[in-house]
Amino acid sequence: GAGVSQSPSNKVTEKGKDVELRCDPISGHTALYWYRQSLGQGLEFLIYFQGNSAPDKSGLPSDRFSAERTGGSVSTLTIQRTQQEDSAVYLCASSVRLAGELFFGEGSRLTVL
Amino acid sequence: QKEVEQNSGPLSVPEGAIASLNCTYSDRGSQSFFWYRQYSGKSPELIMSIYSNGDKEDGRFTAQLNKASQYVSLLIRDSQPSDSATYLCAVLEGIYGGSQGNLIFGKGTKLSVKP
Repeated sequence: GAGVSQSPSNKVTEKGKDVELRCDPISGHTALYWYRQSLGQGLEFLIYFQGNSAPDKSGLPSDRFSAERTGGSVSTLTIQRTQQEDSAVYLCASSVRLAGELFFGEGSRLTVL
Repeated sequence: QKEVEQNSGPLSVPEGAIASLNCTYSDRGSQSFFWYRQYSGKSPELIMSIYSNGDKEDGRFTAQLNKASQYVSLLIRDSQPSDSATYLCAVLEGIYGGSQGNLIFGKGTKLSVKP
């Protein structure tokens, strides 16, 4: 596809369940970011992958959050034992040669009941 | 903690006026600055990038950077109702020890252009 693809677009889950969110970046983009945006709030950085370097996990809010990027392409963000405060839109973005020029996917809206 | 500050607004301007959006940042090592536009219910999209002190113009948009004052601004000339959106300032962290910096976003300024 031409853009960043995220799935699912919407996810409703019960408190305590695990969820997986998927991101397929633009082909050839080496950098991949995950952000979280709560209603009416700014973008909260979660994790960043750049090529084969170790990811920058400094934004992950707790050890319930993890992410991996397989083969330098598709990334999965996993949230274990979800809590109501995890409800937000999770945005994935990728970039090619210039850091900071990000292309965002449409996001995955997570609702934890 | 490195921060990017914006006035949350809302900023309301009449159609045809100049909208001025401002942003300050705390990391003196930052070298790259960006403006993203986010329509309600949509994802952010990049509209401007600026790397050097001074002005950079692209159509109706002008980005201004003053590194000494740690200040970035975005001017929108001849504002249109379609410009109504939240504008996010983003700053790339300075690179230290060879590591790649993170892109830090402000909370955004909501702009409303009235017909």
